[in-house]
Amino acid sequence: EPEVTQTPSHQVTQMGQEVILRCVPISNHLYFYWYRQILGQKVEFLVSFYNNEISEKSEIFDDQFSVERPDGSNFTLKIRSTKLEDSAMYFCASSAGSGEKLFFGSGTQLSVL
Amino acid sequence: QKEVEQNSGPLSVPEGAIASLNCTYSDRGSQSFFWYRQYSGKSPELIMSIYSNGDKEDGRFTAQLNKASQYVSLLIRDSQPSDSATYLCAVTSNFNKFYFGSGTKLNVKP
Repeated sequence: EPEVTQTPSHQVTQMGQEVILRCVPISNHLYFYWYRQILGQKVEFLVSFYNNEISEKSEIFDDQFSVERPDGSNFTLKIRSTKLEDSAMYFCASSAGSGEKLFFGSGTQLSVL
Repeated sequence: QKEVEQNSGPLSVPEGAIASLNCTYSDRGSQSFFWYRQYSGKSPELIMSIYSNGDKEDGRFTAQLNKASQYVSLLIRDSQPSDSATYLCAVTSNFNKFYFGSGTKLNVKP
């Protein structure tokens, strides 16, 4: 069964460092998303991406965040200067069409020290 | 602010019973509704989607949607210990942004 894959599964970084989280969405999907979940809290929307551009972003997704689809398969989230409060599980998701069900990757646990 | 509200639980039911999970949402323009299951430390896993008023059944799961009341529910029949997890309600209106509730923790006791 096709799945969304994310790497790495765990990332530990120092405050102020840049991190790149990587995702390979399901191959025939057109919509890509990043969500995050701080421990014990709800899944929060960060950004959606369609047709090689951001279609919507949340207030969390400020200038320190960026997304890119560098080739036909990868979808990345970059955090330029990490803060302690960026520590969370980051989920990549994809969907085949607008408003259709999201399929989530297994997540990257980011720890900022 | 578009909200999705769920009772955090925990909801405890005995094995074999029906578990009833509820969700309300604030945006009347919402058009797609989903139930996800999330085991601790894992990613959300889709259980059901529902788009129109009424009931939708899939195996032991039934989703119910009432747009007039802005209410969506999930019934789990013949609950099993393996159903113990947090159940997330998700709602979308503009098709690019899904709003998640904080989840209801379900405990199924053997």
